[in-house]
Amino acid sequence: AQSVSQHNHHVILSEAASLELGCNYSYGGTVNLFWYVQYPGQHLQLLLKYFSGDPLVKGIKGFEAEFIKSKFSFNLRKPSVQWSDTAEYFCAVSDGDMRFGAGTRLTVKP
Amino acid sequence: NAGVTQTPKFQVLKTGQSMTLQCAQDMNHNSMYWYRQDPGMGLRLIYYSASEGTTDKGEVPNGYNVSRLNKREFSLRLESAAPSQTSVYFCASSMQVQGNNEKLFFGSGTQLSVL
Repeated sequence: AQSVSQHNHHVILSEAASLELGCNYSYGGTVNLFWYVQYPGQHLQLLLKYFSGDPLVKGIKGFEAEFIKSKFSFNLRKPSVQWSDTAEYFCAVSDGDMRFGAGTRLTVKP
Repeated sequence: NAGVTQTPKFQVLKTGQSMTLQCAQDMNHNSMYWYRQDPGMGLRLIYYSASEGTTDKGEVPNGYNVSRLNKREFSLRLESAAPSQTSVYFCASSMQVQGNNEKLFFGSGTQLSVL
């Protein structure tokens, strides 16, 4: 089964800074890739997903992610973060079931 | 449209007690999942069911059993609760379309404490 690694445990940024959160997975076959966000006190919401086609995927709230097959990576980016982006971000990989990374806590300072 | 309904929301057990967490979805999804969420460890898959009548172990199945009662319902049972099972449990469901696993819809979670 696949595993998912998120290397950044806690990221602290100032508003308007650019964001990139790393996600790597171990499975070599065809996978579906996801980024979810969990705001404080809420359950997970889907930011974006990749199944096939254009490896640059755009999601909600200005987020995007790039699938690089050769690197087994699916990094999340946002050009300019806002205070309201403070949340925990989870990368997930599916090849039948759905496995999550350990999450990255993002704190955006106003 | 209720989505994914999960009960109870809170539960306190003593070590050795048993309990069943209930989950039901009304979206006609074929896949259902049970996760536990612990600080710093993200969501870890306990069991999942790709379709009615099938269940498979996830990353952390020990100490748990599941039943896919029908397409709507997927229950998680702790036969003999241990303090290590103190966690927040989430049920989720999704639809598989043309081999792709669409996004997960989550229940509101069960906060379980085992004393």
